[in-house]
This record gives sequence, C-alpha cells and structure tokens, in this order.
Amino acid sequence: AQRVTQPEKLLSVFKGAPVELKCNYSYSGSPELFWYVQYSRQRLQLLLRHISRESIKGFTADLNKGETSFHLKKPFAQEEDSAMYYCALSSNTGKLIFGQGTTLQVKP
Amino acid sequence: EPEVTQTPSHQVTQMGQEVILRCVPISNHLYFYWYRQILGQKVEFLVSFYNNEISEKSEIFDDQFSVERPDGSNFTLKIRSTKLEDSAMYFCASNKGETQYFGPGTRLLVL
Repeated sequence: AQRVTQPEKLLSVFKGAPVELKCNYSYSGSPELFWYVQYSRQRLQLLLRHISRESIKGFTADLNKGETSFHLKKPFAQEEDSAMYYCALSSNTGKLIFGQGTTLQVKP
Repeated sequence: EPEVTQTPSHQVTQMGQEVILRCVPISNHLYFYWYRQILGQKVEFLVSFYNNEISEKSEIFDDQFSVERPDGSNFTLKIRSTKLEDSAMYFCASNKGETQYFGPGTRLLVL
C-alpha cells in the first residue's frame, strides 16, 4: 500500500533551535518525494523535492530508502518558518499521496 | 509568475444541491487534478485529468462527482447532489513536469 506518515501533528521549537519534521513512506518502487508548505492563509506550495537535492530557505531533506524516510531538517529555525508542512509521495500515475501534515510553531 | 486560480473561494450550499467548483490551471500545463481536505484530515486525491479525459480517480470520486474542461482554460469539478460529508476544502492542481502547482482552494460548506 502507498502511504505517507507524519507522526507529529505539532512541533513547537524556539527560534534558533534545530528542526526535524519526520516523514516515513510506504511504496513499492522508486519513490518521488516532496515537501509542501502552507503558510497561514496561503496555498500549498512546493518547498523541495528529493530529486533536486537542493536546500530551500535553509531546509534540506534526504531520502533514506533503508529507513523509508524523508525527514525535513533545518539547523536554525526562524519565526517565519511557522507553517503547516506536508510530506507527499508521487505515485507512478502522477497523483500525490499526502501525509497528515505537521504544524511547525517557532516561538520567539 | 503564473498561478493556478480557483473560484469561488467559499461556497455555502444546501444538502442535495449541485455545486460547480472552478479552476484555471497554469496555461501550458497538461495534467490537472482535484484534491480535497476535510477539516482536520489529510489532503486526499480525488481525480486526475489528461488529454480531455479522466486518467485516474479515487474511491471518493463516485457518480456524484464529475470533471470537465469545457474550454481551453477552465477545469471544473461538479458535485451533483451534495451531502454533508462533502464539506471540505477543494484544491485544484496542475503540472507539466514533476511538480504540481496548487490553487488557493475553495472552501465548501454543505448545510
């Protein structure tokens, strides 16, 4: 079964602290994984995808096929990072399968 | 930068009524999608559309739902006879390559 799991509904950290948002997946085949972010009152927007191996706004995510994980990390959280973060898997038919989402709250 | 647009932003309807949610995908995109998110739950795939036909649909997408691309720009989702459980945020998305671009969503409330 194709599934994405984000175990934390809410992650609350202080500004400057490291952040790790967890994502595990279940997929038979080569997965394409994404992190989408939704800031307050805004649309879902792509943050990063594992294929490009880039760092966006200081965030990185590494695909670990052995652990079937794609955790999102940032060494020093900023207040403007507060948002809802969704991990998503692209199936071979193109549809996205989303996790439940994690609300990141960065306190001053 | 081009964006996916959706109208209306909010819609309130009575149970049993028909609703049409509208989307304008990014102009050179080829694949179109509808997703929904019931309050407090995950974003769920409803249907994908390519080359003027449905390419995949989920179990949620039953006979009450239909999609159409009536002209070169609009992509619509119709719910024929709304139920209370259809209350959700409905997102349209489009893509040309690997990345799907989402619209701002339509919040549908069925009373």
